[in-house]
Amino acid sequence: DGGITQSPKYLFRKEGQNVTLSCEQNLNHDAMYWYRQDPGQGLRLIYYSQIVNDFQKGDIAEGYSVSREKKESFPLTVTSAQKNPTAFYLCASSIGTEFGNTIYFGEGSWLTVV
Amino acid sequence: DQQVKQNSPSLSVQEGRISILNCDYTNSMFDYFLWYKKYPAEGPTFLISISSIKDKNEDGRFTVFLNKSAKHLSLHIVPSQPGDSAVYFCAASAGGTSYGKLTFGQGTILTVHP
Repeated sequence: DGGITQSPKYLFRKEGQNVTLSCEQNLNHDAMYWYRQDPGQGLRLIYYSQIVNDFQKGDIAEGYSVSREKKESFPLTVTSAQKNPTAFYLCASSIGTEFGNTIYFGEGSWLTVV
Repeated sequence: DQQVKQNSPSLSVQEGRISILNCDYTNSMFDYFLWYKKYPAEGPTFLISISSIKDKNEDGRFTVFLNKSAKHLSLHIVPSQPGDSAVYFCAASAGGTSYGKLTFGQGTILTVHP
């Protein structure tokens, strides 16, 4: 089945540690994204990548890093510099249509700092 | 600066009736609009989209209306079903270099009562 796979689903991190969230897609989409959702809020863009070996900061990139070495993979590292990392993280990829890009999401990863 | 707003945090509807979810935006550069449905601890699911060159788009029970002059869009669900109970997000993107970068509203919790 085609789709976007995020792992792990639940992750606990100690303060001061870096942690990496995995995202793999087999939809052959060029663009990939990382969003963050906090309780009662909408989704906010962390980073996005339009092609391999290229990525841009979104609205809340501070404390995060990404890489895009393969078309299928877009891992997100939450560094110790991220002040409030506890959140629900969503990876996505998109395909262009005649009018715009429709973004499809993975199932999400819960990160809790303990 | 909230460029996409969903002013109703929640909406309660009887099964079989119409659900109307509203969304306002401020950025006149937005030209592609999407609605997503989200269950707790899951990724959002794409429902329907509309380009700014249209004022209406239908897909089964879902219809999206766009009023560009008012910078307002709405999602109509007819008839509403208990399985429609979820959080609904509207999202918008601008063309050109924005390339699929979506700006989301805060979401509206829809509850459909049997």
